[in-house]
Amino acid sequence: DGGITQSPKYLFRKEGQNVTLSCEQNLNHDAMYWYRQDPGQGLRLIYYSQIVNDFQKGDIAEGYSVSREKKESFPLTVTSAQKNPTAFYLCASQSLAKMNTEAFFGQGTRLTVV
Amino acid sequence: GNSVTQMEGPVTLSEEAFLTINCTYTATGYPSLFWYVQYPGEGLQLLLKATKADDKGSNKGFEATYRKETTSFHLEKGSVQVSDSAVYFCALFNTNAGKSTFGDGTTLTVKP
Repeated sequence: DGGITQSPKYLFRKEGQNVTLSCEQNLNHDAMYWYRQDPGQGLRLIYYSQIVNDFQKGDIAEGYSVSREKKESFPLTVTSAQKNPTAFYLCASQSLAKMNTEAFFGQGTRLTVV
Repeated sequence: GNSVTQMEGPVTLSEEAFLTINCTYTATGYPSLFWYVQYPGEGLQLLLKATKADDKGSNKGFEATYRKETTSFHLEKGSVQVSDSAVYFCALFNTNAGKSTFGDGTTLTVKP
């Protein structure tokens, strides 16, 4: 079945460490997105990519980095520069070729700084 | 720019009550409108959508109508169940922007 997969589901990071969250999709979607969600809050866009080897900053890009070397993959690195990284991270993908289609979300990664 | 304003929550209802969650939007052009639902600890999933003015999206007893004249997309359900307890997000997608704009989410709790 086609879908979007995030891993790991839970991740623990020591202060000062970089960590990378994985996001893979087999839906052949052009666009991929990373969101951050804090408890009781909405979604905030971190980075997005509409095409391989290109990506744009979202609303809260500071302290994060991404790459888009393959259409299927859009990993997010949370760097030590991110002051408060503990949050729930959601990856999404969407077709830009088909009009009016929805975003598909992964199950999320919960990152905790210990 | 694009924006989505949702009714603030949380909303608490008794089982079989009528549900309305208000959503209004600001956008250039002709966006598609969506309602997504998020259950605890999970990602968002599509509940329903409408792609042009006067379209009605429906799924699992939920409905919403794309009202261009009032720039609204209110979510309704005639009789809620305990299993409908979740967070509901209104969103728009504008092809020109290439990304979605989400409301802040409304938490619904349905009590037996």
